[in-house]
Amino acid sequence: QQQVKQSPQSLIVQKGGIPIINCAYENTAFDYFPWYQQFPGKGPALLIAIRPDVSEKKEGRFTISFNKSAKQFSLHIMDSQPGDSATYFCAASKETSGSRLTFGEGTQLTVNP
Amino acid sequence: GAVVSQHPSWVICKSGTSVKIECRSLDFQATTMFWYRQFPKQSLMLMATSNEGSKATYEQGVEKDKFLINHASLTLSTLTVTSAHPEDSSFYICSLRRGFGNGYTFGSGTRLTVV
Repeated sequence: QQQVKQSPQSLIVQKGGIPIINCAYENTAFDYFPWYQQFPGKGPALLIAIRPDVSEKKEGRFTISFNKSAKQFSLHIMDSQPGDSATYFCAASKETSGSRLTFGEGTQLTVNP
Repeated sequence: GAVVSQHPSWVICKSGTSVKIECRSLDFQATTMFWYRQFPKQSLMLMATSNEGSKATYEQGVEKDKFLINHASLTLSTLTVTSAHPEDSSFYICSLRRGFGNGYTFGSGTRLTVV
């Protein structure tokens, strides 16, 4: 019930490509779905987050698509750049109860020049 | 989001010694902080939830006597790895939640190497 499944484990794209990372959750009580970006040796940094009352959210080159009925959400990175090469984690929580984040397994993204 | 300072950023210690990691909230009074451990190429695993003025809540499988957590003030939580062993070598990260709707902010992490 608490798991968040993330795929793919790794992803390689060319500069300008649109990598897509997918996550699926089980607990329908989750109401907060963030994506984090982590560079080697650093803590995760919040990239973008969505709540289940909307199906899409866009911030700059990053877009979250959310499918409540399928219990899935995904991250799209438009016009990807080599500087986007990092590990990306999806997560979920029941924010209204102050519960902790449950993380996906992570996706290592490489954007080649 | 809140600014979280974690110190040290890396530490090397000998087996059997103890190491203390500090997590400070610089602009927010955090009643709750979270401590995670991350092994190479793996996800973040929650170790414990640190509550100001009370005992921490540990996740299943985490030894509370080995990983001592103290949250003595609203801006500081510490994690002490006692009698460290090489298998405790990992990346430790703290986090706090700045109230409803503001998400979770993470520290920069501490790389612990036990030799």
